Amino acid sequence: DAMVIQNPRYQVTQFGKPVTLSCSQTLNHNVMYWYQQKSSQAPKLLFHYYDKDFNNEADTPDNFQSRRPNTSFCFLDIRSPGLGDAAMYLCATSRYSGRDNEQFFGPGTRLTVL
Amino acid sequence: EDQVTQSPEALRLQEGESSSLNCSYTVSGLRGLFWYRQDPGKGPEFLFTLYSAGEEKEKERLKATLTKKESFLHITAPKPEDSATYLCAVQAWDSNYQLIWGAGTKLIIKP
Repeated sequence: DAMVIQNPRYQVTQFGKPVTLSCSQTLNHNVMYWYQQKSSQAPKLLFHYYDKDFNNEADTPDNFQSRRPNTSFCFLDIRSPGLGDAAMYLCATSRYSGRDNEQFFGPGTRLTVL
Repeated sequence: EDQVTQSPEALRLQEGESSSLNCSYTVSGLRGLFWYRQDPGKGPEFLFTLYSAGEEKEKERLKATLTKKESFLHITAPKPEDSATYLCAVQAWDSNYQLIWGAGTKLIIKP
């Protein structure tokens, strides 16, 4: 089945220790997104890629970086995690088209910062 | 300013008790309205896309409708497995594919 895969599902890191989260997709979608979701809140968009074009949200901290080496993979790097970065990180994909551009989400990575 | 408001924040129903969730939106040119279901600790699961006022879509016990100002997610004879948070999001034509999310409605179905 075509899907969005995130690894790891759970990540524990120490304050200030860099961490990388990964996302892969078999949907062959042009657009990939990274969201941060905290408890009982809506997902918050951090950035997205249309193919290799990177789009950063204005309020995404510089501490967060992303890479998309090819169509299938996308990475989220958190350079110096703080306690406030503990959250669920969601990867999503969508087609680039006038319609049918709903976003499909992976299962998420739960990040804990000690 | 583009905005999405969902109500109620939480809804408790008995199994079999039908009800509706509301998603009110303000957007400069609606490209699409999306409904998602999210279970605890998981990513949102896509349910429906609605594009224009008057459109309706159904899936099992769920039916989504759209007007020019709001969308409803009707749940008919719900079962405990329908318990989840239901999220609504809208996309504007000038949004560069970004979604504006509501805060969600947490639905609890008691057996």
